[in-house]
Amino acid sequence: DAGVIQSPRHEVTEMGQEVTLRCKPISGHNSLFWYRQTMMRGLELLIYFNNNVPIDDSGMPEDRFSAKMPNASFSTLKIQPSEPRDSAVYFCASSLGASSGNTIYFGEGSWLTVV
Amino acid sequence: QKEVEQNSGPLSVPEGAIASLNCTYSDRGSQSFFWYRQYSGKSPELIMFIYSNGDKEDGRFTAQLNKASQYVSLLIRDSQPSDSATYLCAVNTDTGNQFYFGTGTSLTVIP
Repeated sequence: DAGVIQSPRHEVTEMGQEVTLRCKPISGHNSLFWYRQTMMRGLELLIYFNNNVPIDDSGMPEDRFSAKMPNASFSTLKIQPSEPRDSAVYFCASSLGASSGNTIYFGEGSWLTVV
Repeated sequence: QKEVEQNSGPLSVPEGAIASLNCTYSDRGSQSFFWYRQYSGKSPELIMFIYSNGDKEDGRFTAQLNKASQYVSLLIRDSQPSDSATYLCAVNTDTGNQFYFGTGTSLTVIP
């Protein structure tokens, strides 16, 4: 079975540009997570969806960040406008359901550099 | 965000030794606990999970959970150079399905 698929794998963009990261969760998984990883702050939970509905977006750093999940097989994380401090690895992950204990599986990550 | 604390290391052990990785968490209602391994430039991958107090063994790995002390650990026996990676502790809350991660402990196994 295919795992969590993310695109692009690498992106370099100029400050002020819009960045869109994409994610396809594992088929049948109904929970989806977006994380950001930096050396200083580790893995930070940005937003979590259950059955395509955003449940907790308290980790989204500011209004420049937005996430959508229009259907069960696709999600986007958008940064507009991007800033150099947004440079990080962005991971999408999915799990089977909302009950405690379900393991989450990560995609390969999108490596974002804003110059 | 819920606090999950790990000693960032780096931790170095000789090949064949036992590596001990520790994690504490702040949310007393946490139900499930996970250890992930992350190689440099790669995504985290699950090693094992534990739900109940006590020890859980899987091959060379043993997870230990003490909910009263809000403490979870991972022991790696007979450490191998291929175990060199960052180990992430993750906690699943009881109020939903949020997974919170510690900042990770870097482990180096010296041949």
